[in-house]
Amino acid sequence: AQKITQTQPGMFVQEKEAVTLDCTYDTSDQSYGLFWYKQPSSGEMIFLIYQGSYDEQNATEGRYSLNFQKARKSANLVISASQLGDSAMYFCAMRVMDTGRRALTFGSGTRLQVQP
Amino acid sequence: AAGVIQSPRHLIKEKRETATLKCYPIPRHDTVYWYQQGPGQDPQFLISFYEKMQSDKGSIPDRFSAQQFSDYHSELNMSSLELGDSALYFCASSLTGRDVVAFGSGTRLTVV
Repeated sequence: AQKITQTQPGMFVQEKEAVTLDCTYDTSDQSYGLFWYKQPSSGEMIFLIYQGSYDEQNATEGRYSLNFQKARKSANLVISASQLGDSAMYFCAMRVMDTGRRALTFGSGTRLQVQP
Repeated sequence: AAGVIQSPRHLIKEKRETATLKCYPIPRHDTVYWYQQGPGQDPQFLISFYEKMQSDKGSIPDRFSAQQFSDYHSELNMSSLELGDSALYFCASSLTGRDVVAFGSGTRLTVV
């Protein structure tokens, strides 16, 4: 079974600063994928970034980057130059990639508030 | 680009009624997933379908059932609704071998 741990229930950051949201995971599988999603107050689940367990380079997507430390089983999300619109709930998730169609297991989420 | 389409967006039902939620996955995606997210909770996996066959089963109550049709749309049927079924229900879809799991905007079910 997989487990995702997000230890920060809430985070505050000043506009234009960078922020790191923590995520650790536990799995005995060698092939897996790590995902980050953003959930604004309107409720939709927005895909942000993906990291495969065999990817040697950290994933980046615009202002989002994933700090992947495989030995520590961590997959922290870094948001650079925070904007007011980044205020939302952020979920870390993972799935085993044996069949390529396993369901995601989510962490409990981190609520980020960006202050002007 | 086409996204995952869910309907309705909001639904209010009384206890013991039934509800049907619909999901239209991204074209050519071969797997559909259903998740339930209670207030202040993370999404919990209910059930998935691969090429119209049930693939994996999560914490789906016996009162719920789901299927995927020949046009790849999926429906989640919920009977004997309870107050605790009030939640945001997500459908997601993916293509085997690809990294992205795309979510719909969700259906917010309120049971009164």
